[in-house]
Amino acid sequence: DIVVTQSPDSLAVSLGERATINCKSSQSVLHTSNNKNDLAWYQQKPGQPPKLLIYWASTRESGVPDRFSGGGSGTDFTLTISSLQAEDVAVYYCQQCYSSPFTFGQGTKLEIK
Amino acid sequence: QVQLQQSGPGLVKPSQTLSLTCAISGDSVSSNSATWNWIRQSPSRGLEWLGRAYYRSEWYNDYAVSVKGRITINPDTSKNQFSLQLNSVTPEDTAVYYCSRRRGSGMGMDVWGQGTTVTVSS
Repeated sequence: DIVVTQSPDSLAVSLGERATINCKSSQSVLHTSNNKNDLAWYQQKPGQPPKLLIYWASTRESGVPDRFSGGGSGTDFTLTISSLQAEDVAVYYCQQCYSSPFTFGQGTKLEIK
Repeated sequence: QVQLQQSGPGLVKPSQTLSLTCAISGDSVSSNSATWNWIRQSPSRGLEWLGRAYYRSEWYNDYAVSVKGRITINPDTSKNQFSLQLNSVTPEDTAVYYCSRRRGSGMGMDVWGQGTTVTVSS
């Protein structure tokens, strides 16, 4: 199984400041057939299912604010929120769908400083 | 707009079978591009992908090793839904269960059911 590890486990950032979450996979999730990384990012608020933010490691889902961006390739990825808003308080997860089982990271809890 | 509506019991006795259904609106369970997934979430295990069903001229399944041998995910084309059956449950299977759609290869899980809290207890 591909192990996905996020860092940090929790993060406190001031409103308007940048937040960066890291995600590392134990194996590359790069499809050589199309040179795309099969990694997604989700946001989960209490009592709700996860919400897709980013897929193919860097493609923003329709309707997601452009302050959210994803980057990285191979085994190392980042989710960046360029200017933190109050509504961004949540737990964020990355997930690899390169090979079954499609494993998630343990989550990063994002709070306001 | 695609929606997934989950149904099923919230309490299951140990050693019995957990059964949940996910009704699809706005898409087809027989889609040639989507896959239909079950995921669970618990404090001890986090988010855990359990398996999927999908149609590519014929039906395929794919299951996590952690539940293989106990899990079945079945499509029901007549009702446009898919189901989860997990046999021989123990208290370790207590979790919030979600169904989800992955609309295409590499595209993440873009639609989720509302979640069902399932407790395994006598």
